[in-house]
Amino acid sequence: LAKTTQPISMDSYEGQEVNITCSHNNIATNDYITWYQQFPSQGPRFIIQGYKTKVTNEVASLFIPADRKSSTLSLPRVSLSDTAVYYCLVGPPGTGGFKTIFGAGTRLFVKA
Amino acid sequence: AAGVIQSPRHLIKEKRETATLKCYPIPRHDTVYWYQQGPGQDPQFLISFYEKMQSDKGSIPDRFSAQQFSDYHSELNMSSLELGDSALYFCASSLGQGAEKLFFGSGTQLSVL
Repeated sequence: LAKTTQPISMDSYEGQEVNITCSHNNIATNDYITWYQQFPSQGPRFIIQGYKTKVTNEVASLFIPADRKSSTLSLPRVSLSDTAVYYCLVGPPGTGGFKTIFGAGTRLFVKA
Repeated sequence: AAGVIQSPRHLIKEKRETATLKCYPIPRHDTVYWYQQGPGQDPQFLISFYEKMQSDKGSIPDRFSAQQFSDYHSELNMSSLELGDSALYFCASSLGQGAEKLFFGSGTQLSVL
């Protein structure tokens, strides 16, 4: 499994765009990049997933450079409710039951 | 839309007792995962099942066991409970094929006194 490295914590203010970068230097050819969000005492929630270039949904954008050794989760115009832990996961699509390993996530604090 | 259901929501046990946590996956999901998350910690993968068979194993103590039943629900059985077992236990489910997105339940908060 590709090891991921993220900043331990980040601070932001309401209305700003937040970019969280994840390094995954040993990503394999068939690995996907997935981001989850977790609020205190709640289960992680899937945010976005991508393989290359750029993926956008109603919540976030995911930017993946050509070498795929890093990825950046972009949260537009954050609000106080975006304060959470964000996890970057890298792994291949499985035949079922592929263990999704959570590393140390990024604790985002959004201030008023 | 139906989500992953876990029961009980909270559980208080004494040391050396046993506990059973239940997980009901999203309908048609064939894969179930169990995670343990201690206070201030990141989720730790315990075990997973695909089509009722154990598919992968993580840092699950020998005192714990789990299974997935014919209706795809899963149970995590924990024996000889220790104080250090106090944690949030999450269950997640997914469709087994293809790039997997996990859908998590709200968790069971286990407190061992």
